[in-house]
Amino acid sequence: KAGVTQTPRYLIKTRGQQVTLSCSPISGHRSVSWYQQTPGQGLQFLFEYFSETQRNKGNFPGRFSGRQFSNSRSEMNVSTLELGDSALYLCASSPWTATTDTQYFGPGTRLTVL
Amino acid sequence: GQQLNQSPQSMFIQEGEDVSMNCTSSSIFNTWLWYKQDPGEGPVLLIALYKAGELTSNGRLTAQFGITRKDSFLNISASIPSDVGIYFCAGQLSGSSNTGKLIFGQGTTLQVKP
Repeated sequence: KAGVTQTPRYLIKTRGQQVTLSCSPISGHRSVSWYQQTPGQGLQFLFEYFSETQRNKGNFPGRFSGRQFSNSRSEMNVSTLELGDSALYLCASSPWTATTDTQYFGPGTRLTVL
Repeated sequence: GQQLNQSPQSMFIQEGEDVSMNCTSSSIFNTWLWYKQDPGEGPVLLIALYKAGELTSNGRLTAQFGITRKDSFLNISASIPSDVGIYFCAGQLSGSSNTGKLIFGQGTTLQVKP
């Protein structure tokens, strides 16, 4: 079974621009979570989608948004980029049940904001 | 926000030695996961734990879900050079407000000397 895929793998943007990152989950997984990883803050939860609905959101400004499509693929968007948004953005898919949530991560998108 | 205390922060060991790392929290978790991350890649799931007291092995790796549900440990036996990397614990709190959200420890950087 193919793993989680993320595109693009690397991205360079300038301050004020916006960016869209894409994530394709493992086949059959309906839950997709997004995380930001930085050296200073570690791995921080952004949001989670299940069946095209955002079920949970982390403590990030409204510039960070996402969506999920009917095939479970997900995108996240960051508008008005700031230098501090430079990070590795990871998505994780899960077969999620009411009692277990085992998340499998993609390789990440390395975003650099200049 | 909620954090997991992971220790040690780093380890430098000789090939063949056993390794132990742990995570603790003041909150009760209903899932504990252990991941390994190589530079520039996403975290790879090593072991998943779902029940208090559960002891699970994956090759040379063994992890346990603490009885109090507030801690977990990971042991690596007979370390080899390819064990080098950053190991993360992650947990999920119960409740709908925590759906799809993993909380991560700060990571343990493991270096193995041949």
